[in-house]
Amino acid sequence: SQQGEEDPQALSIQEGENATMNCSYKTSINNLQWYRQNSGRGLVHLILIRSNEREKHSGRLRVTLDTSKKSSSLLITASRAADTASYFCATGAGFQKLVFGTGTRLLVSP
Amino acid sequence: SQTIHQWPATLVQPVGSPLSLECTVEGTSNPNLYWYRQAAGRGLQLLFYSVGIGQISSEVPQNLSASRPQDRQFILSSKKLLLSDSGFYLCAWSGSGQGARTGELFFGEGSRLTVL
Repeated sequence: SQQGEEDPQALSIQEGENATMNCSYKTSINNLQWYRQNSGRGLVHLILIRSNEREKHSGRLRVTLDTSKKSSSLLITASRAADTASYFCATGAGFQKLVFGTGTRLLVSP
Repeated sequence: SQTIHQWPATLVQPVGSPLSLECTVEGTSNPNLYWYRQAAGRGLQLLFYSVGIGQISSEVPQNLSASRPQDRQFILSSKKLLLSDSGFYLCAWSGSGQGARTGELFFGEGSRLTVL
């Protein structure tokens, strides 16, 4: 069964705008990761946040984690058309056996 | 640097036919290996994972099996395909033991299987 649920399922924005995606999960975790998938391609790791961290940055990406609410958010600032992809959160509770959410489809229009 | 190869990229097979998808990893030793399936517009479902040669754990009982004949080779098989086996299959690896870094997965480019 899938642990994470992303929200919204789909998001459409203009270039230059910020995109925020949310992920909720059900059980205790060691870390939470975000991945990106271009259409018909494999997934690419974006960022990992550990359960004892609250916020992490990587370039235009900002991830927050609230373990009390069992939720995380991914913010992409100043979106570009090339950011168009599906974004998945994945939770790890041990042994690096990640459980993926259902994904958010992001469309960034020029 | 590490690379992961997965083939074939696309496969159309009749119901009842066998299946073999292959995945190999280069540039690392003793990786953890994974097979995921992604239904259209859905998230990823973990099918199998392996921590070493001949060691396979199944996450979902189904029509598929996996084998790891060599350290960096992972094979997904079926003796008789079902319509419900259609999907996008992704192989992935992660570091293990002392060599593990962050727990992140590195994915292949996927194999799209259509069962008719």
